Amino acid sequence: QVQLQQSGPGLVKPSQTLSLTCAISGDSVSSDSVAWNWVRQSPSRGLEWLGRTYYRSRWYTDYAVFVKSRITIYADTSKNQFSLQLQSVSPEDTAVYYCTRDRPSFPWFLAYWGQGSLVTVSS
Amino acid sequence: EIVLTQSPGTLSLSPGERATLSCRASQSIDSNYLGWYQQKRGQAPRLLIFGASTRATGIPDRFSGSGSGTDFTLTINRLEPEDFVVYYCLHYRDSPFAYTFGQGTKVEI
Repeated sequence: QVQLQQSGPGLVKPSQTLSLTCAISGDSVSSDSVAWNWVRQSPSRGLEWLGRTYYRSRWYTDYAVFVKSRITIYADTSKNQFSLQLQSVSPEDTAVYYCTRDRPSFPWFLAYWGQGSLVTVSS
Repeated sequence: EIVLTQSPGTLSLSPGERATLSCRASQSIDSNYLGWYQQKRGQAPRLLIFGASTRATGIPDRFSGSGSGTDFTLTINRLEPEDFVVYYCLHYRDSPFAYTFGQGTKVEI
């Protein structure tokens, strides 16, 4: 059974970098059949997909256009986890952040979710 | 970019009734790329339906999805008390890759 366990600070100051990590059990971050995603949810913006990383002989990433200039998603194979970094945050980045894994075959949908991490951007 | 519009925003029903939730896409989409999620308060969304009409593992058969083109529907037959929560539709595109969520429909007693 795939389980995703999130960790990271719940409070980040404006202009700083938000960092979250998602530890994987029951699967490998290097699996060549799935992708590892980050999604966030806020009352004002609803659910938003932020981006993903996946391994197909090499590592690939896809990012949402609206955060592309300040987001990094990367995997750590030694710890079997993947991480989100969001730079230059503002109060509008306050949200519950989720790490997710998609289905292992077409069509790809977000099938496994972490527990969620509330991140507040405030000084 | 495709925009998903869900209606109604809130649906007021009673246990045992049928719920019909709509998700309309701003342009025609491949039904393989449309799914539905359920979110209970304080929990992560749960995948109910993918490919417009295929139930995910463990989802009761009172949940069904249908539709094509721009109009998609999630139907919940014989509402159970635990079904009174929020539902989202989701679309993804391959190139460039992106997921897009609808704004949600709340089913309330």
